[in-house]
Amino acid sequence: GESVGLHLPTLSVQEGDNSIINCAYSNSASDYFIWYKQESGKGPQFIIDIRSNMDKRQGQRVTVLLNKTVKHLSLQIAATQPGDSAVYFCADAIGNNNDMRFGAGTRLTVKP
Amino acid sequence: DVKVTQSSRYLVKRTGEKVFLECVQDMDHENMFWYRQDPGLGLRLIYFSYDVKMKEKGDIPEGYSVSREKKERFSLILESASTNQTSMYLCASSERDEQYFGPGTRLTVT
Repeated sequence: GESVGLHLPTLSVQEGDNSIINCAYSNSASDYFIWYKQESGKGPQFIIDIRSNMDKRQGQRVTVLLNKTVKHLSLQIAATQPGDSAVYFCADAIGNNNDMRFGAGTRLTVKP
Repeated sequence: DVKVTQSSRYLVKRTGEKVFLECVQDMDHENMFWYRQDPGLGLRLIYFSYDVKMKEKGDIPEGYSVSREKKERFSLILESASTNQTSMYLCASSERDEQYFGPGTRLTVT
């Protein structure tokens, strides 16, 4: 994941809309990618992961898309709910996860 | 469910004090990690361990040390706390891919 400096990107969506959160990574050798959700006062929680031999993976209401050509990862959340409000961040790693690189995160706010 | 616990949620220490942050995981994971999280900077790896008594430096090890005497426990030590170590500290464990995080310890050094 790529650090975006001191300002945390924000995304505000209406309840029920779809959300798309983007992430860029810099290492073309990265072969494992993961999205985490972090609610206020809690540790990060796993949402979904994907390996470089795939370009799309779906979970429950979430989809991760990987574009290796432009080193871009996105998280799509369908029918966004107030409980989805959190900071979302991506991470990438090569091989095992002992050198996982985290992005700074995007704050998602869901308006009722 | 994997459970990673950290000894304190909030901690306030004075400059120069020695600080111990404890982390325990209950899933027999080989790998354990300590990160600090600062606004806009994401998670930065301080140290990690892939086995008992083994440790590896992460990106920002200066001012910190670690101890892994038992598989389930990974301790982060601030030998002499400084104000620039005020941060959220997150512990994680993993076996292969996904890292499981604890709830974090918010440390304030005054």
